[in-house]
Amino acid sequence: DQQVKQNSPSLSVQEGRISILNCDYTNSMFDYFLWYKKYPAEGPTFLISISSIKDKNEDGRFTVFLNKSAKHLSLHIVPSQPGDSAVYFCAAKSNFGNEKLTFGTGTRLTIIP
Amino acid sequence: GAVVSQHPSWVICKSGTSVKIECRSLDFQATTMFWYRQFPKQSLMLMATSNEGSKATYEQGVEKDKFLINHASLTLSTLTVTSAHPEDSSFYICSASRGSGAVDTQYFGPGTRLTVL
Repeated sequence: DQQVKQNSPSLSVQEGRISILNCDYTNSMFDYFLWYKKYPAEGPTFLISISSIKDKNEDGRFTVFLNKSAKHLSLHIVPSQPGDSAVYFCAAKSNFGNEKLTFGTGTRLTIIP
Repeated sequence: GAVVSQHPSWVICKSGTSVKIECRSLDFQATTMFWYRQFPKQSLMLMATSNEGSKATYEQGVEKDKFLINHASLTLSTLTVTSAHPEDSSFYICSASRGSGAVDTQYFGPGTRLTVL
């Protein structure tokens, strides 16, 4: 049972434009959400997170939006840069799971120069 | 700072043999380490959580006698895949936490690709 879903396995965006990566979840107990970025042959690196008490969190070029009623979150990257090309995973946790993270399947983002 | 290494980065073994994978936190002490497995085009699935000096907590469906986890020190955890079978072929990745309570302090290793022939 995939509790965190990223329905787009891949996405291509022109350099300078906005990249929007989407993530849906089914477990209403999730209260904290994270985005990780992963390059080949490297471990995931933390990018940005959001608590369920907020609907938006911004950090430089990265903004995460959370729509709790729709159980949907999205990551916006603007402007997109070639170095943003990577696989992006969203992850979620609940208060009852301690530090346990439930990951989505990932979206491969390719920025076209 | 906050670098996590894994060794080996890839390994090929024969069916029936055991393979040990090491996870080290290089510049911090990790109170908790996590082991994940990722099959192609699937998400990272948590296998177990280990705390230094205590037994690992395994997720449902993960055989603790097959996947032996030892967290002997605050900088080292090992995962041993015993009597490996081809279906154990996967990408194994560890993460380490400083234990500050914030989820985003979980640092990931680069992963180990295991292929069982």
